[in-house]
Amino acid sequence: AQSVTQLDSQVPVFEEAPVELRCNYSSSVSVYLFWYVQYPNQGLQLLLKYLSGSTLVKGINGFEAEFNKSQTSFHLRKPSVHISDTAEYFCAVTRTGTASKLTFGTGTRLQVTL
Amino acid sequence: NAGVTQTPKFRVLKTGQSMTLLCAQDMNHEYMYWYRQDPGMGLRLIHYSVGEGTTAKGEVPDGYNVSRLKKQNFLLGLESAAPSQTSVYFCASSYDWQGEAFFGQGTRLTVV
Repeated sequence: AQSVTQLDSQVPVFEEAPVELRCNYSSSVSVYLFWYVQYPNQGLQLLLKYLSGSTLVKGINGFEAEFNKSQTSFHLRKPSVHISDTAEYFCAVTRTGTASKLTFGTGTRLQVTL
Repeated sequence: NAGVTQTPKFRVLKTGQSMTLLCAQDMNHEYMYWYRQDPGMGLRLIHYSVGEGTTAKGEVPDGYNVSRLKKQNFLLGLESAAPSQTSVYFCASSYDWQGEAFFGQGTRLTVV
C-alpha cells in the first residue's frame, strides 16, 4: 500500500516570498504523484502531476514540484507567493501499472500575509 | 459544463436516520470516488467505482454503502447515521487512475 506524509500542517509566509511545501511518500512499487489545492469552501483542484519523464513538473498558478525517487519526495515550490495562494494543499499518490486509488496526505495550510 | 455535482450541499441528521448523497458527473468518466474530509486527517477514501455496476471498499467503508447503477451517478448511503459520520464528503471522478480527479463542491453533513 502507498502512503503520503506532509510534514507541515501549516506554513505561514509573507507575500512575494518563496515557499516550499514538503511531501514524502512510501511505496514498494512505482507511483504517480499529484498536488491538489483546496480553496475555502470548495472542492479540490489539480495543481500538477508527475506520471513519468522529467522530474521537474510545472503546474498552474506558477507552482512546480520535483520528483526525487531516492528521497521519495515530491516537494511543491513557488518562487513568489500571492495572497490568493492562501489555501490547503494536498499531496496524493497512486501506484502505476494497474487500477488503483488516490491516497492523500493530511494537507498543508498555506497562509500568505502582507 | 457542470463537471461533478453533489446533492445536497448541507444536511443535518439525527442519530439513526438514513440518507443518500448523490454524485453526478457529465464527463463520461469511468472512475468515481467518495471521500470524507476531517480536520487534520486529509481525505480518506470511503468507496470507489471503476465502472458502471462495480464498487469497491476504500480505507474507511464501515457504516456506508454505495451504488453505481448508471455510469454518471455514484450514490453514497448512510443506513443508520452516527455522530462519528459528521464530516465533509467529497465525490470525485476521473477518466482513469492516472488522470486528474475532478471534485465536487462537497456535502457538509452533521449528525446530532
